[in-house]
Amino acid sequence: DTEVTQTPKHLVMGMTNKKSLKCEQHMGHRAMYWYKQKAKKPPELMFVYSYEKLSINESVPSRFSPECPNSSLLNLHLHALQPEDSALYLCASSPSGTGAYEQYFGPGTRLTVT
Amino acid sequence: GENVEQHPSTLSVQEGDSAVIKCTYSDSASNYFPWYKQELGKGPQLIIDIRSNVGEKKDQRIAVTLNKTAKHFSLHITETQPEDSAVYFCAAMGPTTSGTYKYIFGTGTRLKVLA
Repeated sequence: DTEVTQTPKHLVMGMTNKKSLKCEQHMGHRAMYWYKQKAKKPPELMFVYSYEKLSINESVPSRFSPECPNSSLLNLHLHALQPEDSALYLCASSPSGTGAYEQYFGPGTRLTVT
Repeated sequence: GENVEQHPSTLSVQEGDSAVIKCTYSDSASNYFPWYKQELGKGPQLIIDIRSNVGEKKDQRIAVTLNKTAKHFSLHITETQPEDSAVYFCAAMGPTTSGTYKYIFGTGTRLKVLA
């Protein structure tokens, strides 16, 4: 299995809702990432998990809460989001968390906050 | 901080012609340089990469060159086809202060191949 899967594909939520995004990989990769991508912009790093521990938080607001239950699974919990948080949320994984390696991206979750 | 400049922002070529996209990075500690292709509604797909100890790498119609001294790297696509139309991102990867590694992406190039 050489892919990163993300669910759901699309999500519409109100500003008072709580929802979660899910990411899964079965390539044995030890680093996993959350990115946010706005239209016509490059992906913007949010969080990095290396060996199931949070190693980078790019000053992301607390309404985004990441979780890494095991080496194959990464969640992003969403609460009290703002309309400007509407974007494509991408998950990626990489073979190692301690070296410069390729990252493999999932198809993303298109999030709309109303 | 680390910065990656990418040019041009848009590029239109005739089918069969070559396309070249250029990137410049600022952090000399960067040691890995991938290129991603992103089609509409999809996640970025790794198409080719190069490490800092290599000057050039080729995979069929795609090649990447790296000039470490000038901190430049470029993507070359030959014999372009309509299915090459997409947004292309370069990235530079280097160590952070926490001991992990992260990408710095370029701003993207929208390539249109005209049939």
